[in-house]
Amino acid sequence: QSVLTQPPSVSGAPGQRVTISCTGSRSNIGAGYDVNWYQHLPGTAPRLLIFGNSNRPSGVPDRFSGSKSGTSASLAITGLQAEDEGDYYCQSYDSSLNDSGYVFGTGTRVTVL
Amino acid sequence: QVQLQESGPGLVEPSETLSLTCTVSGDSISSNHYWSWIRQPPGKGLEWLGYVSYSGNTNYKPSLKSRVTISLDTSKKQFSLKMKSVTPADTAVYYCARDDTSGHFDYWGQGTLVTVSS
Repeated sequence: QSVLTQPPSVSGAPGQRVTISCTGSRSNIGAGYDVNWYQHLPGTAPRLLIFGNSNRPSGVPDRFSGSKSGTSASLAITGLQAEDEGDYYCQSYDSSLNDSGYVFGTGTRVTVL
Repeated sequence: QVQLQESGPGLVEPSETLSLTCTVSGDSISSNHYWSWIRQPPGKGLEWLGYVSYSGNTNYKPSLKSRVTISLDTSKKQFSLKMKSVTPADTAVYYCARDDTSGHFDYWGQGTLVTVSS
């Protein structure tokens, strides 16, 4: 089971703003490790959307933005478009003694109404 | 443009060893990156399995460490995953990905489905 918790689903009409939360703990996000976000559309490879909490790789629209505070992080999508429909995952590093390493969130399905 | 492509058997019998290869193009596999394997069981989320560094050092998810080996072949521009003693729970789409050592995966392969079944 993932140590990073996301809501199973969020939805919005075209043009609206949606946010996805990613809740961790003191052994991952709260320990200062960066949070990264990925978009996973059906039948495609996951795509890096946000790295280092709030940075966008070249080619990613500025409609996508990330933030981090305490033991949580958020991804915001403004001006929601039909092509944004898919799964979104947060990712960080966990320093737990028993199972350290890179960890992903539980994933959130974004639906455009 | 950096591209990664997974290859290997799509069906593995229980208790056998799963073997996959990732071929890298558009980048030097010896450059300052980590090369990871990540999987996604049907209907579930993503799980990082481990990586091999450009120098051949490895780091594995502790709970899988006893079953997983990741290795690098710089002459072929490939890195490989071996997972022994597989069970149906290891059925998943397996992805290879590049980490620029900052802890995020900037390039991914398309993924390959591996089914563990007799």
